[in-house]
Amino acid sequence: AQSVTQLDSQVPVFEEAPVELRCNYSSSVSVYLFWYVQYPNQGLQLLLKYLSGSTLVESINGFEAEFNKSQTSFHLRKPSVHISDTAEYFCAVSRTGTASKLTFGTGTRLQVTL
Amino acid sequence: DGGITQSPKYLFRKEGQNVTLSCEQNLNHDAMYWYRQDPGQGLRLIYYSQIVNDFQKGDIAEGYSVSREKKESFPLTVTSAQKNPTAFYLCASSQGTADEQYFGPGTRLTVT
Repeated sequence: AQSVTQLDSQVPVFEEAPVELRCNYSSSVSVYLFWYVQYPNQGLQLLLKYLSGSTLVESINGFEAEFNKSQTSFHLRKPSVHISDTAEYFCAVSRTGTASKLTFGTGTRLQVTL
Repeated sequence: DGGITQSPKYLFRKEGQNVTLSCEQNLNHDAMYWYRQDPGQGLRLIYYSQIVNDFQKGDIAEGYSVSREKKESFPLTVTSAQKNPTAFYLCASSQGTADEQYFGPGTRLTVT
């Protein structure tokens, strides 16, 4: 079985500042890793994913995450946040070869202020 | 536009009543899923279906039932046996079980 830990339930940050949202996972087998974003009262949108290959993955809106197998981490980073990045961010893991059974973390609320 | 539709967006029911949540997709995806979201607990898998007329229990299936009679539809029934039904319910689909999931907008169910 897999598990995901998002230690920070809330992360306040000023606009244009950098941010890191932490995600650690536990698994006895190889994994796929995902970051999803959820805006208020909406469904989840896939932000980025790691399946294989390069350990650094990027999204189209400036976020990036790096798969670190030795530290079992998949932290999400952005060098300069915008007000519109305010949302809840979920890290998720699944066993390699299937994304059908995703295990989600409890989420991190990113609050960007002026 | 292809996507996932969940209706209604808000649903109110009295305790002891069964209620069915709708989920429709026009993405031609084979797999569909139902999740429950509670504050501070992330998402938990209720049921999933990899193919028509077949479905499997997720982590918290007790008190819920599903059907998959058509590829594009995967309705979820919240029965009176579900002890804490008030939650935000999310439906998702994927092309196959090795592909990422796409989520619908969700239905917020309130039971009083």
